[in-house]
Formats: sequence, C-alpha cells, structure tokens
Amino acid sequence: DAKTTQPTSMDCAEGRAANLPCNHSTISGNEYVYWYRQIHSQGPQYIIHGLKNNETNEMASLIITEDRKSSTLILPHATLRDTAVYYCIVRVGNFGNEKLTFGTGTRLTIIP
Amino acid sequence: DTAVSQTPKYLVTQMGNDKSIKCEQNLGHDTMYWYKQDSKKFLKIMFSYNNKELIINETVPNRFSPKSPDKAHLNLHINSLELGDSAVYFCASSWRVTGELFFGEGSRLTVL
Repeated sequence: DAKTTQPTSMDCAEGRAANLPCNHSTISGNEYVYWYRQIHSQGPQYIIHGLKNNETNEMASLIITEDRKSSTLILPHATLRDTAVYYCIVRVGNFGNEKLTFGTGTRLTIIP
Repeated sequence: DTAVSQTPKYLVTQMGNDKSIKCEQNLGHDTMYWYKQDSKKFLKIMFSYNNKELIINETVPNRFSPKSPDKAHLNLHINSLELGDSAVYFCASSWRVTGELFFGEGSRLTVL
C-alpha cells in the first residue's frame, strides 16, 4: 500500500511553475513525506522531503497542509529536463525498519 | 565517479539459470537496498541491509539471495530464474536515519 494518491499525468508549459499534488490522508504524526522522480528509465532521484513545515531546496519546494493530509511539490521554473514520473511517498515504519513504498506517481510532461 | 554503480546493466538469460547482479556505493552510506521495477513500472523494495545486516525482506522468493560482503557492496543472486523475474533491478544506498536514497542506474534482466 502506497498510502498516497496522485494524478496519473499532468502537463506544464516550459518556464512556468509545475505544481504536483499528493493526497496522504492516512498519514501518521511521525511519518515523513518524500518526493522522488524518475526520468525515463533512469534510477529514481531524490527531490525533497518534509514532516510538517514547508521545505525548499535548490530543486523544488514542498508545501504540506496544516492537517498533513496533502502536499504539493512545486518546481518553480519547469524545464524540458523536468519531464519525468514524480513519486510522492510516505515513509513508513519504525526507526531502523523504514522503507519507501513507491506508488504509480504522476507523469509530468513539460511542453515547449 | 558514479555514486551507486551496478553491473551488469543488461542481462539476458534462459529460464532456470542462476545469475548475479553486483552493486557498489562509494558514498560511505550504512544502508543498501534492492528494488525491483516490473513491466508496469511499479517499483517495489525487495531487501535492505544496514552494516551488512538484513533489516528488510519483503516476502521475496528464497530464490533471491542478497549478500553484503561489506557496507559498500550489496549483491543479488537469483537462482532458477523464471520468466516473471524479468524486470529492472535497482540498487540504492542511504544513511539509515534518512530516507534520501541514492539509486543506481538499474540492471535490466530479461529471462527467455
């Protein structure tokens, strides 16, 4: 069980902000939200993660709602190289036995 | 320098054969993983090792035997290969206390 729900696919114009939503309504208080992406058939790439505060790094921003039941990944200025499948993941398990369970993800296509 | 490297990248073999995939990481991480991505693109964890100790075994057939000779290596040996074993196998590594996994480029196994 992936514990997350994401749209199957999305398009975004190049240069615009890409906003990828994720629902995780059954998330527990100590579970983190992680985002990864997979470009074509390459290995998945870590993007960002958060617990309850909004987070930003050089790749993206993560906005988590106050009730933690959903989040949004924001790619501020999408480029063609951002075309990929984006996975929203809730990190489950107790310390020492954590695992990431990948769902079906959102296929993001950046349109020139 | 490749952070997580897998060999071979491609492997074509007959049913019933035994094969191995090797993985090495030079990031100094203490935890390594094997994930399987099938034809439908679902990415599932198979095993994880922390400091050479098995910590996650996700109900994988015992034909699959991971071996970790040291913290930097996690090899996957598969006995009596079946058609359903055809997939891309990804190795990954991380620090145990984080969920930031670094993935290799994958090893595409085709069983004929």
